[in-house]
Amino acid sequence: QVQLVESGGGLVKPGGSLRLSCAASGFTFSDYYMSWIRQAPGKGLEWVSYISSSGSTIYYADSVKGRFTISRDNAKNSLYLQMNSLRAEDTAVYYCAFMVFASPIDYWGQGTLVTVSS
Amino acid sequence: EIVMTQSPATLSVSPGERATLSCRASQSVSSNLAWYQQKPGQAPRLLIYGASTRATGIPARFSGSGSGTEFTLTISSLQSEDFAVYYCQQYNNWPRGTFGGGTKVEIK
Repeated sequence: QVQLVESGGGLVKPGGSLRLSCAASGFTFSDYYMSWIRQAPGKGLEWVSYISSSGSTIYYADSVKGRFTISRDNAKNSLYLQMNSLRAEDTAVYYCAFMVFASPIDYWGQGTLVTVSS
Repeated sequence: EIVMTQSPATLSVSPGERATLSCRASQSVSSNLAWYQQKPGQAPRLLIYGASTRATGIPARFSGSGSGTEFTLTISSLQSEDFAVYYCQQYNNWPRGTFGGGTKVEIK
């Protein structure tokens, strides 16, 4: 069955960096778009970034553009999010999700918490 | 960007009663609308897609309707496990789907 397991979250000071990872299994990773979606404490869902199956198409929310970098390693069935220049407002649970063409999200990871605080 | 607006923000309902949640799109999304349920500490779970099709394993008390810009999620008889936050999402301009702000269904 499909499994998405995020890791790499934690406590970081403002201006610091973190790298999130998502290990995927149970489907042909290299065939699908992948995304990161976040949820600040007590708030709604915000699309952070997505990447096409080959990595040739990438999208970032305006709130993270220039600071975050999404990437993938299809040989390792893994998705990454490099987060630099972190701000307090980046504090959130970050979910990894895989995207079937023209469909909603049926599979989510369990999420990893990123806390940006001094 | 298509903006999704959900109402009300909070809905207080007694167990066994019907709950009706609304979602409005800033432009037509055809029937490319999904509903998710989220409980504390959990990832969202897909309930409805295509505006009205229940996802696998979703009880029949959940139903969706609408098309274009106006959508509704109805829970016919609320069970204790249904108290949660519900989000709508348009995926008409996939992969740039956008989420609504959520409706919290709480016990009255």
